[in-house]
Amino acid sequence: AQRVTQPEKLLSVFKGAPVELKCNYSYSGSPELFWYVQYSRQRLQLLLRHISRESIKGFTADLNKGETSFHLKKPFAQEEDSAMYYCALIIQGAQKLVFGQGTRLTINP
Amino acid sequence: DAMVIQNPRYQVTQFGKPVTLSCSQTLNHNVMYWYQQKSSQAPKLLFHYYDKDFNNEADTPDNFQSRRPNTSFCFLDIRSPGLGDAAMYLCATSRDLGIYGYTFGSGTRLTVV
Repeated sequence: AQRVTQPEKLLSVFKGAPVELKCNYSYSGSPELFWYVQYSRQRLQLLLRHISRESIKGFTADLNKGETSFHLKKPFAQEEDSAMYYCALIIQGAQKLVFGQGTRLTINP
Repeated sequence: DAMVIQNPRYQVTQFGKPVTLSCSQTLNHNVMYWYQQKSSQAPKLLFHYYDKDFNNEADTPDNFQSRRPNTSFCFLDIRSPGLGDAAMYLCATSRDLGIYGYTFGSGTRLTVV
């Protein structure tokens, strides 16, 4: 089955501490993976995509095909990073973006 | 700003009374999607239009239908809403396969009374 797993529903860290949000996937082909973020009372928005190999708001994510993971990392958390984070995978051919269950990240002052 | 707009933001409907949610976009994206998101759950794809071609998910109830009269607009029709259909409904768009990402609207929160 093609799926995305985010093992942590809640994650709480202190400001300035490193953050890692875990994402594992199951997919038979070459995966197209994304991280989406939803800040309080805002729309779901794209944070970053693995094909771009970019850093957005200090976040990075590396695709590890051996471990089938796409963890989201930031070396120093900021209070404005508090949000709901979704890892997502495109099911090619089915024209479908499948989401993990999401991780609610809280940054404590 | 080019964007995806959903109306209304909040919709209250009576049990069994048909309701329509609307979505418009100024991005000129050829694919439009409807997702259902229930409390504390991930968004779940209901169906999508690739250009004019309608694609229904296998587990989407028959109660849910969609129309796309032109590139810019897409509608979600719920023929006979039940209490279990109360949720946030998200519209999204993408260019082709969506490898550059999807753009989401702010959603419509549907309450069934």
